[in-house]
Amino acid sequence: GAVVSQHPSRVICKSGTSVKIECRSLDFQATTMFWYRQFPKQSLMLMATSNEGSKATYEQGVEKDKFLINHASLTLSTLTVTSAHPEDSSFYICSARDRDRVINEQFFGPGTRLTVL
Amino acid sequence: DQQVKQNSPSLSVQEGRISILNCDYTNSMFDYFLWYKKYPAEGPTFLISISSIKDKNEDGRFTVFLNKSAKHLSLHIVPSQPGDSAVYFCAVNTGNQFYFGTGTSLTVIP
Repeated sequence: GAVVSQHPSRVICKSGTSVKIECRSLDFQATTMFWYRQFPKQSLMLMATSNEGSKATYEQGVEKDKFLINHASLTLSTLTVTSAHPEDSSFYICSARDRDRVINEQFFGPGTRLTVL
Repeated sequence: DQQVKQNSPSLSVQEGRISILNCDYTNSMFDYFLWYKKYPAEGPTFLISISSIKDKNEDGRFTVFLNKSAKHLSLHIVPSQPGDSAVYFCAVNTGNQFYFGTGTSLTVIP
C-alpha cells in the first residue's frame, strides 16, 4: 500500500514551453501533497505544500506564477512549470501524506526528470 | 538557514560491518524524525522513524537513535549489505513541515 506515482518520469521540452507533471496516490487518499526539487548532489528542496481543494502554500523563493500547483482531488496533484527555461531543469519529486494514517510519514513518487533545452 | 545537517556526504563500509549515519538538527520543536533511502533517479523510500518521546527505535537491521539534548539523530545498519548502498536522507517533521538533510551516500563494499 501507500504507492505514489508520477507522470511523466522523464520529459524534455524547449525553452518557453510549459510542462505539466502529475502526482497520484494510487491506493490511499492524500489530503496533503508536497512538491520537491532536487539538484545534483543536493538535498530535497520543498517547493510547496498543497492541500486538497485549497491553494498551495509556497516556500520562500519559489515563484507561484512559474510553478503552478493544483490539488483538485484527494488522489491527484499537478505541477505545471510555465515558460520553462534551462535553469528549471531538475528532478522534481512529489510526496503525499495518507489521510488515514496516524504516523507522520510521507510517501514519495519516483520523480520526474525535466530537461529544458 | 539549514534546519537539518548531514555533515558526511559519503561513507564506505565493508559488508557485514556496521554503518552509522549521522544527522544534526537545530530546532528542538521538531517532534518526529525519519530516515529515507534513495537510489539514483528514484524517489526516496521510507526506512524508519522515531518520535521525540523515544530515544531508540529498531526495525530489523536498522536502528535509529535520538539524542534530544544534543539535537542529534543517527541511523545504524548492521550488518551492512551491498544492497544498502544508496543515499540516505534524514528528515525532521512537525505538523506539515518536513525538512531534509543533504544526504549521505553509503557504499557497502562486498
